[in-house]
Amino acid sequence: DTAVSQTPKYLVTQMGNDKSIKCEQNLGHDTMYWYKQDSKKFLKIMFSYNNKELIINETVPNRFSPKSPDKAHLNLHINSLELGDSAVYFCASSQTRLETQYFGPGTRLLVL
Amino acid sequence: QQPVQSPQAVILREGEDAVINCSSSKALYSVHWYRQKHGEAPVFLMILLKGGEQKGHEKISASFNEKKQQSSLYLTASQLSYSGTYFCGTSVTGNQFYFGTGTSLTVIP
Repeated sequence: DTAVSQTPKYLVTQMGNDKSIKCEQNLGHDTMYWYKQDSKKFLKIMFSYNNKELIINETVPNRFSPKSPDKAHLNLHINSLELGDSAVYFCASSQTRLETQYFGPGTRLLVL
Repeated sequence: QQPVQSPQAVILREGEDAVINCSSSKALYSVHWYRQKHGEAPVFLMILLKGGEQKGHEKISASFNEKKQQSSLYLTASQLSYSGTYFCGTSVTGNQFYFGTGTSLTVIP
């Protein structure tokens, strides 16, 4: 029944490791997003993906790579994790880029 | 590109009113408003499109002044359940979307 789901909910890992976060939506939406929310609560868009068109926020390091196997899934892969990557990562989806965004529960990433 | 919200934080007593402002340096196509409670994901409140319309439901409404590149969220007769962080989100074109700096709102009995 969950509209937008993310796994895992918590992720604790060492610096230098590679990790992935998965996101799935069952709303039939065309657009999906990844956001990073830091300790100051700023919500920063990282990527949006609409019908195979990827829009990248230019400030995102290339260690972050989104992968979309199909319209319902948008996974986030992070290489060579750094301390500064610690944050809550939210996945979201919307019917089009301009419509309501539905958020997943978030993945709390802690890099030690 | 990130819109600026004011105030950064506000504390209200139950029943009081509040206004949260969102300003952009660029012309806006649309403005979204979301509320995030502690430890939870943001939840949609409303969308306003170009045309200066005002929208609302129950005691929460918003306005959009495209000439001033501003939107305001109005909370009237606040309830304890209104506590949380409010974010505006702005779309300059159809491609880019940015959330504002956030406003922490606390309602006390």
